Amino acid sequence: GENVEQHPSTLSVQEGDSAVIKCTYSDSASNYFPWYKQELGKGPQLIIDIRSNVGEKKDQRIAVTLNKTAKHFSLHITETQPEDSAVYFCAASTSGTYKYIFGTGTRLKVLA
Amino acid sequence: KAGVTQTPRYLIKTRGQQVTLSCSPISGHRSVSWYQQTPGQGLQFLFEYFSETQRNKGNFPGRFSGRQFSNSRSEMNVSTLELGDSALYLCASLNHGQVGETQYFGPGTRLLVL
Repeated sequence: GENVEQHPSTLSVQEGDSAVIKCTYSDSASNYFPWYKQELGKGPQLIIDIRSNVGEKKDQRIAVTLNKTAKHFSLHITETQPEDSAVYFCAASTSGTYKYIFGTGTRLKVLA
Repeated sequence: KAGVTQTPRYLIKTRGQQVTLSCSPISGHRSVSWYQQTPGQGLQFLFEYFSETQRNKGNFPGRFSGRQFSNSRSEMNVSTLELGDSALYLCASLNHGQVGETQYFGPGTRLLVL
């Protein structure tokens, strides 16, 4: 069935360093890939997304890359700050299915 | 605009009971999705509603059901609760539910089954 694998499950980085989280999806028809940040006691919040017709997208310190052939997509956070500490989820969706398949999450800790 | 609201925020039930959770989407949004979040499984899709019609459902037993009202508010019901149903239940609101639309999540309802 449809599946999204996410790695690593936990990631600790020093403030100012970069963080990379990787996801692999199984459904080749998937065409939309959002990333969410979830802070304690809150619901996930969209931070960046990418469609299948784009290879890379950047928004200030955050970037996402997509490799359709390998069915991989990655989140890159540069110049990490303590407020980036949270759980990050990747997801994949396919037009017409009205659902999102989520990865299992990455707990990012930025050490000051 | 007000965000997605979910009630109640916390709930404690015992095995065998049933529970109803409520979600009010962002004003004007007509698509509501429900997810179950657990530490081991992450976020798992339960079902999606648009204009009172269920358009898709996940792989959950029939004890999990939902509905949507004409004002787009949605409820989900879990009957005959099991210990494994303890989780954070999240609802998400979208305009039409089309791919590429931003999905806005509520804060969730934390259900504990004893």
